[in-house]
Amino acid sequence: QQPVQSPQAVILREGEDAVINCSSSKALYSVHWYRQKHGEAPVFLMILLKGGEQKGHEKISASFNEKKQQSSLYLTASQLSYSGTYFCGTPHAGGTSYGKLTFGQGTILTVHP
Amino acid sequence: DARVTQTPRDKVTEMGQEVTMRCQPILGHNTVFWYRQTMMQGLELLAYFRNRAPLDDSGMPKDRFSAEMPDATLATLKIQPSEPRDSAVYFCASGLGAAAEETQYFGPGTRLLVL
Repeated sequence: QQPVQSPQAVILREGEDAVINCSSSKALYSVHWYRQKHGEAPVFLMILLKGGEQKGHEKISASFNEKKQQSSLYLTASQLSYSGTYFCGTPHAGGTSYGKLTFGQGTILTVHP
Repeated sequence: DARVTQTPRDKVTEMGQEVTMRCQPILGHNTVFWYRQTMMQGLELLAYFRNRAPLDDSGMPKDRFSAEMPDATLATLKIQPSEPRDSAVYFCASGLGAAAEETQYFGPGTRLLVL
């Protein structure tokens, strides 16, 4: 089942912060975050594993709350280069589906000067 | 700099024609995924291979789509016959696929337009 992302779109000025949320109706043991710039392929940002840990990539960090079955991506002091579509991906558990991800619908982030 | 490569990068064809897309996964990766991306449907998984064996192709229209891995360095996605609704960007991704925390590395995609 596809995870749900919110908001669908965000418009920021350089230096502003944003939060993108990803929630699932099924139990999660990890959440993957990718960013896709216009006309390019999705690029891996980070993986959040069980334990509510936070991770960081540049000034982008994320948290994972397995009890609430959700993850949030935090973009701090946004830069023009952060513009793109952000996807969360949730894996399938066990068996032959191991490693298979279902992606959310994406959140379009636009950063203006 | 290891990357997933895909060919062709762009393809324009007429309805009814056969289309073959190719993907070379990163050397050493044993898992290959085929995705289709459209504005309406987003990023959809079409097929998934591990160690060249197809594990899941439930996302693929069986009557016209087929996916194969003739060897560890080549994955193919074929559409026959193609239809205008197949117009999309098709991405191949590869990974080690050993655990939930494994990353998928995407190729640049094949942009397909069926007229």
